[in-house]
Amino acid sequence: QVQLQESGPGLVKPSQTLSLTCTVSGGSISSADYYWTWIRQHPGKGLEWIGNIFYSGTTYYNPSLKSRVTISVDTAKKQFSLMLTSVTVADTAVYYCARDRTGHYPPYAYNWFDPWGQGTLVIVSS
Amino acid sequence: SSELTQDPAVSVALGQTVKITCQGDSLRLYSATWYQQKPGQAPVLVVFGKDNRPSGIPDRFSVSTSGNTASLTITGAQAEDEAVYYCNSRDITGNQVLFGGGTELTVL
Repeated sequence: QVQLQESGPGLVKPSQTLSLTCTVSGGSISSADYYWTWIRQHPGKGLEWIGNIFYSGTTYYNPSLKSRVTISVDTAKKQFSLMLTSVTVADTAVYYCARDRTGHYPPYAYNWFDPWGQGTLVIVSS
Repeated sequence: SSELTQDPAVSVALGQTVKITCQGDSLRLYSATWYQQKPGQAPVLVVFGKDNRPSGIPDRFSVSTSGNTASLTITGAQAEDEAVYYCNSRDITGNQVLFGGGTELTVL
């Protein structure tokens, strides 16, 4: 079955760039059925969608983070990546990658995230 | 509005039925999906679509929708159901993703 694994530095200095990679195993990253997503969770808080990417490179970002976020995909390596620039302590969070799929049952559409990576804690501190 | 609203906390007696709700304008177009998160763990998909559960999720979890409100019902809550539950949907444009703030479920 498909598994996702986040990797990257656990400590980033303020004003620097946070960079994380998610490696997909057990399945294709190049399927037209999925978006690949980054989600974060501040300590003790709820889930915040950061953005997602289609295998072709199409991206969508949370408007509140859009000016600082870039998500990219490397289909050959079966990886997608997150870059968040100009970080502050407010960017300290557990960062998850997940697979996003869309379905329909009239009159509704729906999406679901499955599987998720285990999450990686990134602390922003000098 | 572009947000999903959940009650912060709900409690239920062991073996009883509890409903967790999620409200938002996007739910008139997009069905809510539900996740369970226990401390120190990644969220786990519980129910999606009309009433789909991944393998391993018991059928005591069910969903319903009315207008702008989606509900997750746990019939016969068990101690292991104690967790935070999140709803999500796309926003009305279909291009963004929304999460509710989460509902902490306590099983008494």
